Formats: sequence, structure tokens, C-alpha cells
Amino acid sequence: GAGVSQSPRYKVAKRGQDVALRCDPISGHVSLFWYQQALGQGPEFLTYFQNEAQLDKSGLPSDRFFAERPEGSVSTLKIQRTQQEDSAVYLCASSLLGTSSTDTQYFGPGTRLTVL
Amino acid sequence: SQQGEEDPQALSIQEGENATMNCSYKTSINNLQWYRQNSGRGLVHLILIRSNEREKHSGRLRVTLDTSKKSSSLLITASRAADTASYFCATVKNNNAGNMLTFGGGTRLMVKP
Repeated sequence: GAGVSQSPRYKVAKRGQDVALRCDPISGHVSLFWYQQALGQGPEFLTYFQNEAQLDKSGLPSDRFFAERPEGSVSTLKIQRTQQEDSAVYLCASSLLGTSSTDTQYFGPGTRLTVL
Repeated sequence: SQQGEEDPQALSIQEGENATMNCSYKTSINNLQWYRQNSGRGLVHLILIRSNEREKHSGRLRVTLDTSKKSSSLLITASRAADTASYFCATVKNNNAGNMLTFGGGTRLMVKP
């Protein structure tokens, strides 16, 4: 497809379950970002990849959050032992290079995670 | 934590009217961008203004930036019902190797037909 895709679009998990959220960036895009958006709030940065290298994970809220991009394309955000406060929309974005501050980030539709 | 505040948090206008949204931020920036988010969708990039620019236009959009006040405004002229969405400003900080975006809390705009 032409845009960033994410799956699943909706995920309901019981507290304590592990979840994995997938992001397919635009083909050829070097940079990939994950953001977390709580209800009624703006997105907040979680982590950033340049190709397969995770260059910044300063926004991950706890060590239960883990992200990878092993081949420099598809990325997975994994949340272990989910808690209710993890309920949010998880947005993925990619940009062509990411080395310029003016590179446009293209966002996927997000995965809405609800932890019961 | 979020970079700054946007006001108003919600805005309701009639079709054809202009809508103005304001954004404030805290740190020095490289550029400021505005995004639109329709309900249940991802964000769409609208316009970018560099820190050395004061005003920029794109179609019905006009963005201003005042770095001395650390604030920006987005004006949508001749609004349409299809403009109903949430609007977010986002900044890229200086010397930020990752160029990650720091978003404000957003303005929820409703344009009534």
C-alpha cells in the first residue's frame, strides 16, 4: 500500500496479558517512530528507529515496553503484562530519511488498545 | 510530557467562518508543524513553518510563528464541514538528532453546516 499501515486496528487485552502491535512503514522509509496517544490528548513520543537501529527509546514508559525493527522495515511494539494505564492509541509514523528536521512524518491509522 | 498548550481546547463555528487556533511551546525549536486528526484516524501533516519564518500560507491555511513568545497560530479561512477534526501543533527541537515530534494537547474543531 501507499501509506503506513498498522495492525491490529483494535486490541482488547486482559490486564497482565502481553500484546504485540505491528507497523508497516512506507516502503523505503528509513526512519520509524512510535507514539502513544491517550484519550483526548496529543501523541507522545515513545521510540525511534533509523533502519534497524533503535536510536532513541527515551519515551518508553517502563521496561514492559519493547520495540524492534529487525530488518529495517516492519516494526513491532510489544507490551508485556499490560496494565489499565496502557490503554491508548498507539501510532506509528515513518519518514523518508529522518535526518532533516523538515522531513514529513507520515502516520498510520493507529492501534487502539483497551486493557480491561 | 507535552511540549505546550493549545487553545481553545474546543471550537465550534458555522460553515464559512474562519477558525483560529493557538499553540504555545516551551523550548527552542527548529520548526513547528500542524497536523489534523479526524476521529479514529491517524494524523495528517498540514503545514510546516521554520523557526526563521514568521508566516506561511497553504491554500486556506495560514500559520504564524512568534519565536519570542514561543507561540504559533493556525487560521483556517472559509471553513467547511469537512474541516471538522482535531488540530495539533508539533515542534521539532533544536539539535534533536531523531527529529521526533513533541505535540500539544490539540484543538477540537467542529464546523457546523
